[in-house]
This record gives sequence, C-alpha cells and structure tokens, in this order.
Amino acid sequence: DAKTTQPNSMESNEEEPVHLPCNHSTISGTDYIHWYRQLPSQGPEYVIHGLTSNVNNRMASLAIAEDRKSSTLILHRATLRDAAVYYCILRRHRTGTASKLTFGTGTRLQVTL
Amino acid sequence: DTAVSQTPKYLVTQMGNDKSIKCEQNLGHDTMYWYKQDSKKFLKIMFSYNNKELIINETVPNRFSPKSPDKAHLNLHINSLELGDSAVYFCASSQITQGSHGNTIYFGEGSWLTVV
Repeated sequence: DAKTTQPNSMESNEEEPVHLPCNHSTISGTDYIHWYRQLPSQGPEYVIHGLTSNVNNRMASLAIAEDRKSSTLILHRATLRDAAVYYCILRRHRTGTASKLTFGTGTRLQVTL
Repeated sequence: DTAVSQTPKYLVTQMGNDKSIKCEQNLGHDTMYWYKQDSKKFLKIMFSYNNKELIINETVPNRFSPKSPDKAHLNLHINSLELGDSAVYFCASSQITQGSHGNTIYFGEGSWLTVV
C-alpha cells in the first residue's frame, strides 16, 4: 500500500473546526483514502473514506485534492470526545478480496477547553 | 449489542504459558482479522480469514495460530508466550461483497496481554 504522511500531533480548542492534513503523493488510481481514529484505550474506529470527490458524513468531512495527492479530514466542531489518534490510510480495493489496513503513526489530536 | 467482542479484555500470564484470545462478531461479516498494537502504538495486521479460510498471513511466529470455527468467530492461540508478545491484540471484521468499495473494518475493544 502507498504511504501517507501526517503531522505527529495537532491541538484544537473545543467547538472550533479542525483540519487534519494527509499527504499521499504516491497514491494510485485504485487507492481509496480512508480515515480511522483510535480513542484512548479503544480499538480503531472508522471515520470516513473517499476516492475522488469530497465526502460528508455525520462524523466528519473529507476534502480530497484534485490531484489526489493530499486530503484533509475536517471535524466541524471539535469536542473533548474527539481527542484521539487519527489515521489516514490508503486501501487498494479489488472487488471480492480482502485488503488490509496499513496503519502509520497517525496524528494525535488534543482538544482543550 | 457489541459488534465485535473479544475475551478476555485483560490477560496477565507467565512466560512459557499457552493462552487463547477469543473473538466473535455479530455483524454477519465474512472476513475477520487479528491486529497487534505494540508498546510503541504501531498497529499491524497479523492474520485475516474469509469464510474460515486464511487469506492474509503476515510474518508472524509459528507460535501464533489463528482458528476460525465459523465465519463469526476467529480465535487466536499463542504458544510458549514470550515477553515480547506483550501487546494489545485487536480483532476486527468486515464484509467483502461484490461492488463494495470501502470494506469498512470494525474493530473490537482489544485484549491487553501482559507476559511476565
């Protein structure tokens, strides 16, 4: 799987938007961009994924650059419960086959009052 | 209802012992995984089973043996435990279906294994 690069850590104030960047300059055409997060002492949790177009769901938004070499996870209003490690992962999907998640070091998001 | 459940949540055992971690998913998924998160917090896949068939087998010592009695269960047995096996082990599941393009993976809450 192609590699992603994320900042080690970021800080945000509660109730403010957070933009978590991810670079993936070697992404291939069949790679989906996935975001997972891991809250303290819990298993990873799916956040959002996309291929080319921007995506929104109840948890977050995903903005994908036109050349797909970078993306940004947007938390519209950070809360203390959003404090976690956020992983940006590329998955090469082939229909009908399993594809593993290759986790990097992620971005540790701290949210303060 | 917990979607992916693992037992035990905490396990402390001595070197040389044999232990098992059990995992069950009630999501109706056909694929299950074991991941290991070490003390440096790196998460790495160990195994994956699809409909009881091993499909992903990363470089893992032979002391680790996964067993899938049915597609809802994937247990991890570890023989001759070593200090370096201390880690958090996460079970996960997903559905591989024709036309799916995300294969969202759902993780359990982890099993904290400490070898002393």
